[in-house]
Amino acid sequence: AQSVTQLDSQVPVFEEAPVELRCNYSSSVSVYLFWYVQYPNQGLQLLLKYLSGSTLVKGINGFEAEFNKSQTSFHLRKPSVHISDTAEYFCAVSEGGGSNYKLTFGKGTLLTVNP
Amino acid sequence: EAQVTQNPRYLITVTGKKLTVTCSQNMNHEYMSWYRQDPGLGLRQIYYSMNVEVTDKGDVPEGYKVSRKEKRNFPLILESPSPNQTSLYFCASSFWGPNEQFFGPGTRLTVL
Repeated sequence: AQSVTQLDSQVPVFEEAPVELRCNYSSSVSVYLFWYVQYPNQGLQLLLKYLSGSTLVKGINGFEAEFNKSQTSFHLRKPSVHISDTAEYFCAVSEGGGSNYKLTFGKGTLLTVNP
Repeated sequence: EAQVTQNPRYLITVTGKKLTVTCSQNMNHEYMSWYRQDPGLGLRQIYYSMNVEVTDKGDVPEGYKVSRKEKRNFPLILESPSPNQTSLYFCASSFWGPNEQFFGPGTRLTVL
């Protein structure tokens, strides 16, 4: 069965610093991977996705993530964060192939960017 | 405007009183899904639907029912709500499977 672990529940950083939000997944088959962002009192919005191909995926707002199959990881990075990046970030996995399109989310990482 | 709508946005009810939360999308999406969000637990998938008349259980389906009689609508039914179903509920849709999902604004449900 698929599962997702987000290793940090909260990550505080200063503005213009780099940030990495960690995500590890568990699955016995090939996977699709996603990062979503939730701003306060809003729904979720897709940041980026990995379906196949290049393991380095670029998303919106300057974020990128790297799929590492051997380490079963999909960490999210940004070289320089802004105050406006303060939000909760969710990693999600879905097992590829077959007819199983169940989507499993991690518990979220709250990114707080301080001035 | 392309969107996913949910109604109601806020609902306070009592244990055992059947309720339905509606979800509608205007993007001709095949895939629709319901999630609940609870503090510290992230989002958990309740049910999803690959297409009309095709539904399947997510990770937490107990106590919920769904139906997909039309492509655009995917209502969530709580036949006998209990306090542990107090939560923030999101509906989402996508063109194909779990590809980029578009989320509704959420429904905050309180069961007393």
